[in-house]
Amino acid sequence: EPEVTQTPSHQVTQMGQEVILRCVPISNHLYFYWYRQILGQKVEFLVSFYNNEISEKSEIFDDQFSVERPDGSNFTLKIRSTKLEDSAMYFCASRLAGLLYQETQYFGPGTRLLVL
Amino acid sequence: GENVEQHPSTLSVQEGDSAVIKCTYSDSASNYFPWYKQELGKRPQLIIDIRSNVGEKKDQRIAVTLNKTAKHFSLHITETQPEDSAVYFCAAREGAWPMEYGNKLVFGAGTILRVKS
Repeated sequence: EPEVTQTPSHQVTQMGQEVILRCVPISNHLYFYWYRQILGQKVEFLVSFYNNEISEKSEIFDDQFSVERPDGSNFTLKIRSTKLEDSAMYFCASRLAGLLYQETQYFGPGTRLLVL
Repeated sequence: GENVEQHPSTLSVQEGDSAVIKCTYSDSASNYFPWYKQELGKRPQLIIDIRSNVGEKKDQRIAVTLNKTAKHFSLHITETQPEDSAVYFCAAREGAWPMEYGNKLVFGAGTILRVKS
């Protein structure tokens, strides 16, 4: 069964550094998402992406964040200048389409980001 | 925007007993409610979902009920087994159908379920 994959599984970085988190959504899916989960807290929505553009973003997704689909398979989240409070598990998710009964979002295994 | 509350935060049951996890949501336009199970170190996996046009859905030992008037939905696991031990998240999809846009999921805080054998 196809799965969403993410790399790296863990990333440690210094405050102020740029990080790029990578995701490979399920191949025929059209909607892509990034969520994050700070340790012990809720899973929070960051951004959704469809048709090569952002369709919605949360207040967390400020100018330090960007997303890109550089080719037909990868979906990336970039944090330009990391802060301590960016430490979290970042989940990528994808969804087949926008039709009824195709709402399921499939999650990747996550990237645990630690900012020191 | 949508807000989802989930209770309890932890739940311990004896193997074979039933477990019930409850969630409430705030946006009456939300119409899709998935439940995810997350085992330690693994990805959230969808276990069951329900749409607002039905009140109950079952899949073997798992069932979900939805009360649109009260804006709450619940996960019921019967005959619990040790492998049911995990964190369970409820979610609501913000926004109404048709889904022209991203329709993000808003999650509850999660319930740690421990099944004691």
